[in-house]
Amino acid sequence: RKEVEQDPGPFNVPEGATVAFNCTYSNSASQSFFWYRQDCRKEPKLLMSVYSSGNEDGRFTAQLNRASQYISLLIRDSKLSDSATYLCVVNGNTGTASKLTFGTGTRLQVTL
Amino acid sequence: GAGVSQSPSNKVTEKGKDVELRCDPISGHTALYWYRQSLGQGLEFLIYFQGNSAPDKSGLPSDRFSAERTGGSVSTLTIQRTQQEDSAVYLCASSLNPTRSNRLADFGPGTRLTVL
Repeated sequence: RKEVEQDPGPFNVPEGATVAFNCTYSNSASQSFFWYRQDCRKEPKLLMSVYSSGNEDGRFTAQLNRASQYISLLIRDSKLSDSATYLCVVNGNTGTASKLTFGTGTRLQVTL
Repeated sequence: GAGVSQSPSNKVTEKGKDVELRCDPISGHTALYWYRQSLGQGLEFLIYFQGNSAPDKSGLPSDRFSAERTGGSVSTLTIQRTQQEDSAVYLCASSLNPTRSNRLADFGPGTRLTVL
């Protein structure tokens, strides 16, 4: 089983729609979680952290379910500019070291 | 401030040649990661450094790949006897010790490697 798994998509949604992505992780000792966004032919950039109580940043809401070991990202009122690949990132503690593990990403295409 | 830088930005080489890719992390970032991304694919983890040591090098695809980091700063990824399947964008990221900071990894712009 992969450490971090995401549905690769693509998710094709019309402008204004609400879309949600899930990401599952295998290491129950994982400590922190994040969503990154990657535009075509660009490097990934941090979108938002995911807090235990859930958190919101404008149209974006992130949630964590530790019992089921998944995180989610909800995008409301989708814009054309939201089209990108969304990467789930898990900080897994492996003893004294700590490693960031990226999912392979979920591609979102917002259309007119 | 200065972000993560990588050089060269583009590298075209012939099959069988060796290449060296460089990553300059953000000053003070102790953790450094190498990933590669083939066209239209996700990020493939290669190796992770904490300081100068590499607690996880499980992603290196073969013994033709090696990486080192000196002085807790610059890292080089070396690919020996390159093959066409090595063609990809090689991304480097750095972060403060992830256990102590909620600030996540910053990526460099990548090196696009093409093996003819």
